[in-house]
Amino acid sequence: EVQLVESGGGLIQPGGSLRLSCAASGFTVSSYYMNWVRQAPGKGLDWVSVIYTGGTTFYADSVKGRFTVSRDNSKNTLYLQMNSLRVEDTAVYYCARSLIVPGANDFFDIWGQGTMVTVSS
Amino acid sequence: DIHMTQSPSSLSASVGDRVTISCRASQNISRYLNWYQQKPGKAPKVLIYGASSLQSGVPSRFSGSGSGTDFTLTISSLQPEDFATYYCQQSYNALATFGQGTRLEIK
Repeated sequence: EVQLVESGGGLIQPGGSLRLSCAASGFTVSSYYMNWVRQAPGKGLDWVSVIYTGGTTFYADSVKGRFTVSRDNSKNTLYLQMNSLRVEDTAVYYCARSLIVPGANDFFDIWGQGTMVTVSS
Repeated sequence: DIHMTQSPSSLSASVGDRVTISCRASQNISRYLNWYQQKPGKAPKVLIYGASSLQSGVPSRFSGSGSGTDFTLTISSLQPEDFATYYCQQSYNALATFGQGTRLEIK
């Protein structure tokens, strides 16, 4: 079964660091674009970051310089290293696979269940 | 960044109604527009990709149209399981962006 399972969320103080993990099964992480998307409580979806198959990464302006996306091919796992956390980073963090369709660019076809990150003193 | 604006932000409708949700991009995104459905406590699920292509397994009452800057999601006959929040998302460039969401409620 194709599946993504996030872990690593929790309560952290402002200025702290946290690393989220997203373990994939049923497919190879390194063969797809992989994304992080977050959702603050009661709010909408907010794209955070992507890592391409070749390793190129992109970030939303709100997290650039603080968050780093990476993957471990041997563990088939995606990561999000989050530093200098702020109260406004509080959200459910989802990992999502991008499926590329010729002529339609890409869309997020597989999502994890999400992991909650709460930044509070 | 490309800004996506959905309208309305919320909508009340009845089972059997035809419903239309709009999405406007701040610049031309061709047909690189996707629609998702999200139910409370669950991850989003893709409905439409490439503006009008129905994702496998999604009921045919869902349809999408548009190109350039203006897009529409239509549900032809609302079913009880369709009451949820809907998001558009552009995939024109590497920095994906979502609309603010449209909450579809039971009248």
